[in-house]
Amino acid sequence: AQTVTQSQPEMSVQEAETVTLSCTYDTSESNYYLFWYKQPPSRQMILVIRQEAYKQQNATENRFSVNFQKAAKSFSLKISDSQLGDTAMYFCASYAGGTSYGKLTFGQGTILTVHP
Amino acid sequence: EPEVTQTPSHQVTQMGQEVILRCVPISNHLYFYWYRQILGQKVEFLVSFYNNEISEKSEIFDDQFSVERPDGSNFTLKIRSTKLEDSAMYFCASGRDRDIQGYTFGSGTRLTVV
Repeated sequence: AQTVTQSQPEMSVQEAETVTLSCTYDTSESNYYLFWYKQPPSRQMILVIRQEAYKQQNATENRFSVNFQKAAKSFSLKISDSQLGDTAMYFCASYAGGTSYGKLTFGQGTILTVHP
Repeated sequence: EPEVTQTPSHQVTQMGQEVILRCVPISNHLYFYWYRQILGQKVEFLVSFYNNEISEKSEIFDDQFSVERPDGSNFTLKIRSTKLEDSAMYFCASGRDRDIQGYTFGSGTRLTVV
């Protein structure tokens, strides 16, 4: 079984500053993926960034980057140069290979507010 | 860019009624999923579907739920006798292959049971 834990229910940041959202996970699988999804007020699920567990290099997508610490089972999201449009709920999620047919396990979410 | 389309965007139904939530996955995808998000809570897996059968289901997906791919394009979730606690956002997702590449969510259907 997989678990994903986000310990920060809410975070806030000033526009143009940097913020880091935390996530820890647990899995018995050796082959797995980790994700950050953004859910704006429209409630659509938007993929922000993805990390394959076998890759040592941290994933980066423009202003978004992750700090993947495999031994510590930690997967944090860093948002640089925060913008008002980054205000949303952010979910960390994991997927394990093996017999799981694409099932994603989500954390509880972190509400991020970017202030002008 | 290909999209997963869900209809309706919002449905209100009376308790005890049957509802069908519809999804049109991306055309070359083979794996299909339903998730549920009760307001303010995390997104929860309901069911995965591949090769015209359920691959995996959660404990939430009890006998009142069923899924179907009736015509090769639509993927539906039926809730037979809705309860107040079924009120939630329901997301459909589809994937090109089992290893999560190209996994895409629809924009969701908000179900309100009154």
